[in-house]
Amino acid sequence: EAGVAQSPRYKIIEKRQSVAFWCNPISGHATLYWYQQILGQGPKLLIQFQNNGVVDDSQLPKDRFSAERLKGVDSTLKIQPAKLEDSAVYLCASSLISATEAFFGQGTRLTVV
Amino acid sequence: QKEVEQNSGPLSVPEGAIASLNCTYSDRGSQSFFWYRQYSGKSPELIMFIYSNGDKEDGRFTAQLNKASQYVSLLIRDSQPSDSATYLCAVLLSNQFYFGTGTSLTVIP
Repeated sequence: EAGVAQSPRYKIIEKRQSVAFWCNPISGHATLYWYQQILGQGPKLLIQFQNNGVVDDSQLPKDRFSAERLKGVDSTLKIQPAKLEDSAVYLCASSLISATEAFFGQGTRLTVV
Repeated sequence: QKEVEQNSGPLSVPEGAIASLNCTYSDRGSQSFFWYRQYSGKSPELIMFIYSNGDKEDGRFTAQLNKASQYVSLLIRDSQPSDSATYLCAVLLSNQFYFGTGTSLTVIP
């Protein structure tokens, strides 16, 4: 069974530029999560989808971050414009349903300079 | 208010010893509890989960849950250098995962 796929693996951008990350969850997994993990901290939930609907986006900085999950499968997370403090690893995870264990992708390491 | 707290460590144990990792959580409504291992520069990898009070064993790993005291622990028996990683505790509450900051474990050969 294929795992959660993410791309790109690494991205370096200048502040005020925009960037987009892509995630393809495990086949059949209805729930998809985007987490931000800053060095030395645990993952922080940005947004949670159930199929193509948003379950929780309370910690998503909506003035600059946006996410969508079209057709309830793949998802993209966008940052525009990026700030220095957005430097982090962005992890996508999926679970069969929202009350079961989550499996993570390899993450995208973003550096904003 | 932090939902999940872990000692950040670092915790060092000699090879072959038992490593004990602890986690406390604040909300009594928490439903399920998960331990993830994260190697440096890698993504979290699920080790095991536990729902009910008591112990759950899987190979060298044992998860212990005490809902009355609101803590969950992970024991690693016969620790190996390959166990050196950061261990994240996660709590499922209202269908959301809340992660601790992780405990860094180093197993010394």
